[in-house]
Amino acid sequence: GQNIDQPTEMTATEGAIVQINCTYQTSGFNGLFWYQQHAGEAPTFLSYNVLDGLEEKGRFSSFLSRSKGYSYLLLKELQMKDSASYLCAVVDSNYQLIWGAGTKLIIKP
Amino acid sequence: SQTIHQWPATLVQPVGSPLSLECTVEGTSNPNLYWYRQAAGRGLQLLFYSVGIGQISSEVPQNLSASRPQDRQFILSSKKLLLSDSGFYLCAWNPSGQGHSPLHFGNGTRLTVT
Repeated sequence: GQNIDQPTEMTATEGAIVQINCTYQTSGFNGLFWYQQHAGEAPTFLSYNVLDGLEEKGRFSSFLSRSKGYSYLLLKELQMKDSASYLCAVVDSNYQLIWGAGTKLIIKP
Repeated sequence: SQTIHQWPATLVQPVGSPLSLECTVEGTSNPNLYWYRQAAGRGLQLLFYSVGIGQISSEVPQNLSASRPQDRQFILSSKKLLLSDSGFYLCAWNPSGQGHSPLHFGNGTRLTVT
């Protein structure tokens, strides 16, 4: 079967750095997405990785290792508004999106 | 620019009543369209997707159905709602033929079946 694993919940302090991990086992791989979802709202696109390595976009970076079936989202200089759920999703060989259950990130002052 | 509209934002319906949720996309042609459901604290579950008018693929057998009567219109329906149909329903789109393109979501419909 296809599986995406993320921690259910993480807590971090305002101004700090947090890394949210995602491991996957899918039938094929055609890219990995990270989305942010604030409570009660729709997900919004953060990043897309299809090649190994780090993609940096402002305070957010996303890393991919295809050989390890592993990705992480790195959030720097955390702000209270970063409190949200972060969803990892993998595009499989049929170009279907396989979603993780999401990681709820709680930011404390 | 492209925009996606989904309504209503919230809905409370009794068990056994019908359902119709509508989604429209503006500023693009022949989009891929999707209906997802998200239960509280859970991941996104793909219900239906469509690559063109009248073309609907169902991912999960249930009492819901979908239709695409026009290129940029996607409708989710049910004849008789169940308690288990409660959840957060999201419509989304991405450009046709670009499976690697990110999904753009509507604001969602919070459905409570009582």
